[in-house]
Amino acid sequence: DAKTTQPNSMESNEEEPVHLPCNHSTISGTDYIHWYRQLPSQGPEYVIHGLTSNVNNRMASLAIAEDRKSSTLILHRATLRDAAVYYCILRGYNYGQNFVFGPGTRLSVLP
Amino acid sequence: DTGVSQNPRHKITKRGQNVTFRCDPISEHNRLYWYRQTLGQGPEFLTYFQNEAQLEKSRLLSDRFSAERPKGSFSTLEIQRTEQGDSAMYLCASSPRRFEPETQYFGPGTRLLVL
Repeated sequence: DAKTTQPNSMESNEEEPVHLPCNHSTISGTDYIHWYRQLPSQGPEYVIHGLTSNVNNRMASLAIAEDRKSSTLILHRATLRDAAVYYCILRGYNYGQNFVFGPGTRLSVLP
Repeated sequence: DTGVSQNPRHKITKRGQNVTFRCDPISEHNRLYWYRQTLGQGPEFLTYFQNEAQLEKSRLLSDRFSAERPKGSFSTLEIQRTEQGDSAMYLCASSPRRFEPETQYFGPGTRLLVL
């Protein structure tokens, strides 16, 4: 039902870039790709979203494949505070009114 | 901007008791969502409100669960006759817009433990 596939866990060294992949082969033309993250003992927080073009904001970059069947969240320089569970979510008119979260990718950042 | 707040942050109760959680959304956000999250899983949708109207309920929301949003401001989620399986984090989120792309702002959650 989540319609996205992410690795269960990833590790990164502090100050290095991190590429978090997400597969969404059944994406439709009007679906937005959203990324949220959840730090320990907190609610999820918005990271970034995109439709077709790559997107940048102060937190991260989102690279979307040309066929839109996959995307990659890029953290340019991981810090210890980026250790969290990262969720890739499709959202569009076909999915009703709520976000459907999968289990996400647990990112560990090593000092 | 004070963000979404939820109270209490933690609740321990005995099986069979009733509990009520409160969510205060960001001011002027007309959409409000409730999610439940168990250990190791992503949040699961329970229900959402557009202003004071409850527009969608998940099949997860059994008849022991009820949610209200009087006057379209704060919302309450009540669980009657709690069961151990209700132990989870209950998250509230609010959103200012109706159409895509929608950004939801989550509160810190209420962690419920049913003994």
